[in-house]
Amino acid sequence: SQQGEEDPQALSIQEGENATMNCSYKTSINNLQWYRQNSGRGLVHLILIRSNEREKHSGRLRVTLDTSKKSSSLLITASRAADTASYFCATPESGTYKYIFGTGTRLKVLA
Amino acid sequence: DTGVSQDPRHKITKRGQNVTFRCDPISEHNRLYWYRQTLGQGPEFLTYFQNEAQLEKSRLLSDRFSAERPKGSFSTLEIQRTEQGDSAMYLCASSTNEKLFFGSGTQLSVL
Repeated sequence: SQQGEEDPQALSIQEGENATMNCSYKTSINNLQWYRQNSGRGLVHLILIRSNEREKHSGRLRVTLDTSKKSSSLLITASRAADTASYFCATPESGTYKYIFGTGTRLKVLA
Repeated sequence: DTGVSQDPRHKITKRGQNVTFRCDPISEHNRLYWYRQTLGQGPEFLTYFQNEAQLEKSRLLSDRFSAERPKGSFSTLEIQRTEQGDSAMYLCASSTNEKLFFGSGTQLSVL
């Protein structure tokens, strides 16, 4: 089962533009993570935000978390062609280290 | 830190055959995860271990799937009597806290 649902499913932008993708989840969480996956490869951890945090930054990444709406957003600023990848949110099932991934957003950055 | 290693990288098998995949986690990581991913979808949870103990196995997983982690080090995932629907990327990840480190995956094709 997929706990998270990303939106949009696919996104195509020009280099230099910002990319925003959203994740909705179903149950209470203590943290939410975002991962990136290049085609045919494993996932790479990008950023973790805890339930008591509303916003977090890491380089060109900005993540927000709204626990009342059970949603998170990932913003990539000044996108580059190398940002082309699929992006997934992941949340733990309550009280466990079992992480459930969303359906993903496929981002394409055009040079 | 040599990363998570998965072997083989690709496996082609005929329907009805058994296959076994191996995952070597980052040393000292006590948790090890197996996920399955099909094209255009997010990783689907299969099972995870804390040290040598298998904590949970997905209810979606048939009895043809079995995983072991002897001595809490490497892990193997075996699929018996493979079916065409088993064709997917099988991903292994390890962790010591909330952040998951993924291997490059084993791509299984069942003919």
